[in-house]
Amino acid sequence: DAGVIQSPRHEVTEMGQEVTLRCKPISGHDYLFWYRQTMMRGLELLIYFNNNVPIDDSGMPEDRFSAKMPNASFSTLKIQPSEPRDSAVYFCASSRGGVNQPQHFGDGTRLSIL
Amino acid sequence: QKEVEQNSGPLSVPEGAIASLNCTYSDRVSQSFFWYRQYSGKSPELIMSIYSNGDKEDGRFTAQLNKASQYVSLLIRDSQPSDSATYLCAVRRTGTASKLTFGTGTRLQVTL
Repeated sequence: DAGVIQSPRHEVTEMGQEVTLRCKPISGHDYLFWYRQTMMRGLELLIYFNNNVPIDDSGMPEDRFSAKMPNASFSTLKIQPSEPRDSAVYFCASSRGGVNQPQHFGDGTRLSIL
Repeated sequence: QKEVEQNSGPLSVPEGAIASLNCTYSDRVSQSFFWYRQYSGKSPELIMSIYSNGDKEDGRFTAQLNKASQYVSLLIRDSQPSDSATYLCAVRRTGTASKLTFGTGTRLQVTL
């Protein structure tokens, strides 16, 4: 089975530009998670969806961040406008429902804002 | 108090030794527990899950859970240099659907 697919793998852009990160979850998984990882703060949950509906976005740092899941096989995380402090690795993960179900991570997008 | 706590390390063990990684959690009614391994520059990879008190073995890995003391540990027997990575403990709390809370990870170095 294909794993979680993220694109792009690397993104370098200038401050103020819009950034869009993409994720395709594992087929059949009804939960999708967006995380950000930095050396200072570790792995932080930004937002998660269940059946395409956002459940908890309390981790989204500010209004510059938005996430959508228009269908079961695609999600986006947008940053507009981007700032240097947004530089991090962004991971998407998916899982089936159920208390014992693990999350499976994509390879991540390494984002650098200059 | 952090929800999930791990010693950041690095934990250094010689090749062939047993590496013991520990994790404590604050929510007494947490339900399920996961260990992820993350190599530098890579994504977290699930290596073990445990849901009931006691030990669970999978190859060289053993997960141990003690809900009364609120800790979960990971033992790696016959440690290899390829085990050198950061190990993340993740906990699913009651009532949080499929959301996991991650610790900050313990960096393991296996020396030759």
